[in-house]
Amino acid sequence: EVQLVESGGGLVKPGESLRLSCAASGFTFSTYSMNWVRQAPGKGLEWVSSISGSSSYINYADSVRGRFTISRDNAKNSVYLQMNSLRAEDTAVYYCARALWYSSSWYAHNDYWGQGTLVTVSS
Amino acid sequence: QPVLTQSSSASASLGSSVKLTCTLSSGHSTYIIAWHQQQPGKAPRFLMKSEVSGTYNKGSGVPDRFSGSSSGADRYLTISNLQSEDEADYYCETWDTNTYVFGTGTRVTVL
Repeated sequence: EVQLVESGGGLVKPGESLRLSCAASGFTFSTYSMNWVRQAPGKGLEWVSSISGSSSYINYADSVRGRFTISRDNAKNSVYLQMNSLRAEDTAVYYCARALWYSSSWYAHNDYWGQGTLVTVSS
Repeated sequence: QPVLTQSSSASASLGSSVKLTCTLSSGHSTYIIAWHQQQPGKAPRFLMKSEVSGTYNKGSGVPDRFSGSSSGADRYLTISNLQSEDEADYYCETWDTNTYVFGTGTRVTVL
């Protein structure tokens, strides 16, 4: 059974940093790209960042580029999101999600989601 | 980048059917999309992948009541025999050049 468990959320002040973790199990972690997707209170889903299985390909949404850093440790079956210079608008539940890639269609989508961890940025 | 347009809300009676629409922006009408369900207070759950041909592939454990279809730039999610647990937000998602895009979501209310 695929399981994704996020941790590391909490209350921080604007300008501070936070590191989120996502522990994966139930699949061959190193062969899948992983995503972070966030959801502000009462709002929809927003993709934040992606990392390929080998960490060769990393991408960020414009809203977080230069402030957030995604990484992974395949030996620990974990993916991380280092969040620096946090702003009030970064307040959201952050979900870790597994990406399913279709090479024949050149397409990907998220197929499993964690339960999320809440990040609140407030003074 | 593609834009996905969804209506904000839909409602239908218990036991009836509801059809949700996700419309791809101009120039992206052949894109594959995915549907996700988010019940109140819970994480999203993948429902299915939907292609322009009308082919859809459901995720593990998704009930037969959920089906997909397509017409041009529109991708549809139909929920038949609507149950109380189907009351949720439904998001479509697509991918383009290493970027994931989500629609704004449709809130389904079961009357």
